Amino acid sequence: DTEVTQTPKHLVMGMTNKKSLKCEQHMGHRAMYWYKQKAKKPPELMFVYSYEKLSINESVPSRFSPECPNSSLLNLHLHALQPEDSALYLCASSQWPKRDRDSYEQYFGPGTRLTVT
Amino acid sequence: DAKTTQPNSMESNEEEPVHLPCNHSTISGTDYIHWYRQLPSQGPEYVIHGLTSNVNNRMASLAIAEDRKSSTLILHRATLRDAAVYYCILVIYNQGGKLIFGQGTELSVKP
Repeated sequence: DTEVTQTPKHLVMGMTNKKSLKCEQHMGHRAMYWYKQKAKKPPELMFVYSYEKLSINESVPSRFSPECPNSSLLNLHLHALQPEDSALYLCASSQWPKRDRDSYEQYFGPGTRLTVT
Repeated sequence: DAKTTQPNSMESNEEEPVHLPCNHSTISGTDYIHWYRQLPSQGPEYVIHGLTSNVNNRMASLAIAEDRKSSTLILHRATLRDAAVYYCILVIYNQGGKLIFGQGTELSVKP
């Protein structure tokens, strides 16, 4: 199974709401990623988790709060978002490089399309 | 972050080969070259990657220049389903597979 699933597919939320995006993979990958993609733009990296620990935060505002409760699951908690946060949120997973010269492909989910009103 | 340069768009005819170029003149010796594509309304999809030698897989071939400052993704016979945005990305080995996407090349395929 090489699938990364994301729920929900679509989400509409108000600026005062709290919601969560969920991502799941069962490929045994120990690296998981969140990306944000605005319309007609390339994806932008937000967070990287390795072995359930946050290893990279690309200076993302604190209204986005990631969580990796286990090796298969990645959440993105959303609170007090702004309309400009409306975008496609993509999750990905990959093997984590064990040696200096390793490089592995990332598997992406279909994304959650978020609209903030 | 290491930068890549790609043409904004390219056109191809169905069943003909397509050569998608990428320049990465600031590549360092340990950067891998990855290619992903994104079909409309889908998440990105891995295509191929390499370090120094040319690579082939079921989807495509990757030709890497001897000085590694450029590479070319080759689709041997384009189909309508290959119409997508193709991203060439340098991946730094000690940054956990961090992908920094450039603008990519939008490939259209004519029947």
